[in-house]
Amino acid sequence: KAGVTQTPRYLIKTRGQQVTLSCSPISGHRSVSWYQQTPGQGLQFLFEYFSETQRNKGNFPGRFSGRQFSNSRSEMNVSTLELGDSALYLCASSPEREWTDTQYFGPGTRLTVL
Amino acid sequence: TQLLEQSPQFLSIQEGENLTVYCNSSSVFSSLQWYRQEPGEGPVLLVTVVTGGEVKKLKRLTFQFGDARKDSSLHITAAQPGDTGLYLCAGASGRNYQLIWGAGTKLIIKP
Repeated sequence: KAGVTQTPRYLIKTRGQQVTLSCSPISGHRSVSWYQQTPGQGLQFLFEYFSETQRNKGNFPGRFSGRQFSNSRSEMNVSTLELGDSALYLCASSPEREWTDTQYFGPGTRLTVL
Repeated sequence: TQLLEQSPQFLSIQEGENLTVYCNSSSVFSSLQWYRQEPGEGPVLLVTVVTGGEVKKLKRLTFQFGDARKDSSLHITAAQPGDTGLYLCAGASGRNYQLIWGAGTKLIIKP
């Protein structure tokens, strides 16, 4: 099975712009979670989608949004970019989403905001 | 707010030495997972511990879940350069689908 893929791998934007990141989960996985990873904060949970519905959301401002399509592919959007949004954005998929599930991570999208 | 504190934050040792990484919380977790992340990659699950006092071994890596399910440790015996990476712990409380993540321990093993 192919792993979780994320596109693009690297992105450079300027303050005020918006960005859309894409994640294709492992075939058959219905749950997709998004995380922001920074050196000082570790992994911060953004949101989780299951069967096109947002099931859980972290403590991020409304500038961060996401969606999931019927084929389980997911996108996240960040509007009005700020310098502090520079981070590695990770997507993880799992078959269902029980608390004992293994999450399979993609390689991430490295976003730099100038 | 549930928090997981990992220590040390950074560790650089010589090949062949032993080390222990800690993951501590004041909260009780239903399970705890350990991941390793290498540069340019996403985290990869190493082990899940579920029962208080549980010990799991993965070759030279030994994972332990505290009796009270509030803490965990990862011990590496005879570390090798291939063990280099960022080690992350993540706890599940069972209340929702959100894992609580530690900030990670960056481990460098020098040949």
